[in-house]
Amino acid sequence: DIQMTQSPSTLSASVGDRVTITCRASHSISNSLAWYQQIPGKAPKLLIYKASNLPSGVPSRFSGSGSGTEFTLTISSLQPDDFATYYCQQYNGYSPTFGQGTNVEVK
Amino acid sequence: QVQLQESGPGLVKPSETLSLTCNVSGASVSSGSYYWSWIRQPPGKGLEWIGYIYYSENTNYNPSLKSRVTISVDTSKNQFSLKLSSVTAADTAFYYCARTVAGAFGYWGQGTLVTVSS
Repeated sequence: DIQMTQSPSTLSASVGDRVTITCRASHSISNSLAWYQQIPGKAPKLLIYKASNLPSGVPSRFSGSGSGTEFTLTISSLQPDDFATYYCQQYNGYSPTFGQGTNVEVK
Repeated sequence: QVQLQESGPGLVKPSETLSLTCNVSGASVSSGSYYWSWIRQPPGKGLEWIGYIYYSENTNYNPSLKSRVTISVDTSKNQFSLKLSSVTAADTAFYYCARTVAGAFGYWGQGTLVTVSS
């Protein structure tokens, strides 16, 4: 299995902050990476696919970059609705795997 | 609008089989364009992919669960199902069904909590 490691596990930030979350893969996964946002009590929501592509309806303050083994999710200006847990997920290997999650909390 | 909805018992006894169904609207489970997945999340913990089915009969399972998992499709009802046998307390989780496109889980059901307890 390809292991995915996110950092940090918890991030304290304020509305308006620029926020960056990192995801590292144990083996190269090209650009086969997705990012999800999960609000407590809700299902995860797809934010980014193929490392840097936004699905329709996702605000442009979210962006993704990277390839190979290192990836980042950036929120350019944190909004109140963005306090949530974020997960990366690879789909290059036989089994899709997720990172452990990054909790973005109010500073 | 694609919608997925999980259904099934919320309580299962240890050693028994967990059975869930995902009803799909706005898309066809027999479409070769999508994979249909199950994902779970123990309360307060992270996400674990369980497996998926595509072309109505081809499956791929998480190796850690493969010996206990069966995913199947009922095209007449436009739904797909999960069976997980020999459950223990470690299988207590929120179970989600999802539509997969090019490996990413684009549409999710709301999730259903299954508790394993006697």
